[in-house]
Amino acid sequence: EPEVTQTPSHQVTQMGQEVILRCVPISNHLYFYWYRQILGQKVEFLVSFYNNEISEKSEIFDDQFSVERPDGSNFTLKIRSTKLEDSAMYFCASSPKGTGGYEQYFGPGTRLTVT
Amino acid sequence: LAKTTQPISMDSYEGQEVNITCSHNNIATNDYITWYQQFPSQGPRFIIQGYKTKVTNEVASLFIPADRKSSTLSLPRVSLSDTAVYYCLVGGKGGGNKLTFGTGTQLKVEL
Repeated sequence: EPEVTQTPSHQVTQMGQEVILRCVPISNHLYFYWYRQILGQKVEFLVSFYNNEISEKSEIFDDQFSVERPDGSNFTLKIRSTKLEDSAMYFCASSPKGTGGYEQYFGPGTRLTVT
Repeated sequence: LAKTTQPISMDSYEGQEVNITCSHNNIATNDYITWYQQFPSQGPRFIIQGYKTKVTNEVASLFIPADRKSSTLSLPRVSLSDTAVYYCLVGGKGGGNKLTFGTGTQLKVEL
């Protein structure tokens, strides 16, 4: 069964450093997303991406964040200058066209720790 | 976006059927009802989606009454591995929708 994969599984970085979180969505999916979950809190939407552009973004997704689909398989989330409060699990998700955006397939997540 | 209300937690024993009810009084005509499951330190996992009446797959059943103001996720014969948080989401079926997760229902299954 196809799965969304994410690398790395755990990233430790110092405050102010740039990080890139990588995702490989399911191959025939057309919509891509990033979510985050701070420990003990709700899963929060960050951004959705379709047809090589951002479809929607949340208030969390400020100028420090960017997304890119550099090739036909990868989907990345970049945080330019990390803050302590960026520490969270970051989940990538994808969904196919036609079956509905609410049927999303999530990756295992990247745990980002900012020290 | 329709607001959803579901119990904070539920306890069950292995082999029992578990029913988790979600209220969504303000559901819109084109909204679908979707349930996700999340284990600790893992991403949410799509379980089931429906619009009305009953939907069944290999994992669960979803019951939706005619007025669609509530829905019930039914897990038959739960096991310890079904211990997880279950989220009820309501929204349009169009592509690219963001998911808005609440706090969900923490299901604990014991021996």
